[in-house]
Amino acid sequence: DAGVIQSPRHEVTEMGQEVTLRCKPISGHNSLFWYRQTMMRGLELLIYFNNNVPIDDSGMPEDRFSAKMPNASFSTLKIQPSEPRDSAVYFCASSLRVNTEAFFGQGTRLTVV
Amino acid sequence: KNEVEQSPQNLTAQEGEFITINCSYSVGISALHWLQQHPGGGIVSLFMLSSGKKKHGRLIATINIQEKHSSLHITASHPRDSAVYICAVPEKLTFGTGTRLTIIP
Repeated sequence: DAGVIQSPRHEVTEMGQEVTLRCKPISGHNSLFWYRQTMMRGLELLIYFNNNVPIDDSGMPEDRFSAKMPNASFSTLKIQPSEPRDSAVYFCASSLRVNTEAFFGQGTRLTVV
Repeated sequence: KNEVEQSPQNLTAQEGEFITINCSYSVGISALHWLQQHPGGGIVSLFMLSSGKKKHGRLIATINIQEKHSSLHITASHPRDSAVYICAVPEKLTFGTGTRLTIIP
């Protein structure tokens, strides 16, 4: 398996634009996590899914952020409209199930100018 | 107060030194996760352990569930071990603050 695959690796966009980040978890993994990492706040959990169902989205900063998992092999994190303070590295991780070892994608570095 | 606390936050050592990074947590867990993040940014899983000790190469992780404490040790440290080491509670992957390790040649 190629591991958790995220795209794009880098994204630069103008303030106000819609941004969509994509994640393909490891095949057979039932849990998927989205994280944001900044220098100021470190790694923060945004939302996690179990069997494609959002379980906890309390970390989603505001209504501009939304995440979907239409099937077991694909998830998206969307920011609309984007703002400069959304600039961060966004990581996706998957695990066989909740409370088991998690594997991370390479991350998407988002810059909103 | 964070549910997961790490110490030290920063550690600089000479090549070859024995390194210890500590992690304490306040929540009840059945296992703990150690992660490594290199300067390039990628996050790699090192260990997931629920009791006793695990060893992988020069890395050793121990955990005491009753005392809610885990340690990560690096023997014969090398500059390529320079990274941020993070402990995490598996439930929703609650992260510690991380320990930035720098090994000087």
